[in-house]
Amino acid sequence: DADVTQTPRNRITKTGKRIMLECSQTKGHDRMYWYRQDPGLGLRLIYYSFDVKDINKGEISDGYSVSRQAQAKFSLSLESAIPNQTALYFCATSVVGQGRNNEQFFGPGTRLTVL
Amino acid sequence: QQQVKQSPQSLIVQKGGISIINCAYENTAFDYFPWYQQFPGKGPALLIAIRPDVSEKKEGRFTISFNKSAKQFSLHIMDSQPGDSATYFCAASMSFGNEKLTFGTGTRLTIIP
Repeated sequence: DADVTQTPRNRITKTGKRIMLECSQTKGHDRMYWYRQDPGLGLRLIYYSFDVKDINKGEISDGYSVSRQAQAKFSLSLESAIPNQTALYFCATSVVGQGRNNEQFFGPGTRLTVL
Repeated sequence: QQQVKQSPQSLIVQKGGISIINCAYENTAFDYFPWYQQFPGKGPALLIAIRPDVSEKKEGRFTISFNKSAKQFSLHIMDSQPGDSATYFCAASMSFGNEKLTFGTGTRLTIIP
């Protein structure tokens, strides 16, 4: 089945460390997104990419960077992790097309803990 | 600035009852309103969605009611079942141009026997 996968699924790290979260998809979708989920705050968009050469900041991009290595791969980096970046991180994809539903397909998530 | 406000934060409903979750939006350019369902340990998945040209959309036990003038929409789950226990997120976006979703803060729904 076409899918969205995230690695690692769980990660514990220390303050100041560099962390990379990876997302791969076999859906053939052009658009990819990174969200973080915090209790009571819902899903907040960190970065999004509408194609390999297009990278856009979301509402909470400070402290994060991304790389779109290929249509199927979108990585999120925390250059110097801090405790308030402890959260559940989700990658999502969607298909391009005016007039089509903007359904996003989410990966299983990465639980990141920064000590 | 929160553009989509969701309530309640948590909800407990008896089996067989009606679960109602409400959302309000601010940006009048939004014209696509989906609801996502998330089970523990899983990513959110699209449940049902509506566009503002209709006031109601029904899929099985799930119904979205939409009030354009009030800028509000709600999810109704009829005959709620324990398997409906999950976190529900409303969202909004513009269909054309920048199509990124703006999510509400989520509602944790628990259906008790």
